Amino acid sequence: AQSVTQLDSQVPVFEEAPVELRCNYSSSVSVYLFWYVQYPNQGLQLLLKYLSGSTLVKGINGFEAEFNKSQTSFHLRKPSVHISDTAEYFCAVIVTSGTYKYIFGTGTRLKVLA
Amino acid sequence: DSGVTQTPKHLITATGQRVTLRCSPRSGDLSVYWYQQSLDQGLQFLIQYYNGEERAKGNILERFSAQQFPDLHSELNLSSLELGDSALYFCASSPPLSTDTQYFGPGTRLTVL
Repeated sequence: AQSVTQLDSQVPVFEEAPVELRCNYSSSVSVYLFWYVQYPNQGLQLLLKYLSGSTLVKGINGFEAEFNKSQTSFHLRKPSVHISDTAEYFCAVIVTSGTYKYIFGTGTRLKVLA
Repeated sequence: DSGVTQTPKHLITATGQRVTLRCSPRSGDLSVYWYQQSLDQGLQFLIQYYNGEERAKGNILERFSAQQFPDLHSELNLSSLELGDSALYFCASSPPLSTDTQYFGPGTRLTVL
């Protein structure tokens, strides 16, 4: 069965510091990988996605992620965070067999401290 | 603003009752997805419709049902409600040529008392 693991439920970080949010997946078939952000009292918004090609993917708001097939990881990074990045971040996969069905991780709450 | 609208924003009801949540996808999007977000189970995919037809099913209970109408709006019906059904229910839509990307609505917060 496919699954997504976000190892950190909460990540506190000071403003202008770098951050990495970890995501690992398990699947016996090819997957598409995504990161979504959820600001308080809002729906989810796509940050970036990996479908194929370059393993380093750049997204909105200065975020990037690297697909590592051997480690089955898709960690999200930002070199310098802002207070406004405080939100919940979800890693997700779509298994590329049959219909598109998202599997979401449990989320990581990023709290940026002044 | 994603362009996906959901009504109502909040819903408070009692156990055993039935409610209907409504979703209007972005203009031009044919796919609609429903998700349940709760503290204990996280974000769970419930069901997907594409142009009026059921396309994929996730962890949707038998007490729940959905449909997509000819104008492409969708409704999620929840019946015989239990306390554990209290959650945020999100609708998302995706464009025909990019079904991997989903645009989420603001959600409906359901509270079952």
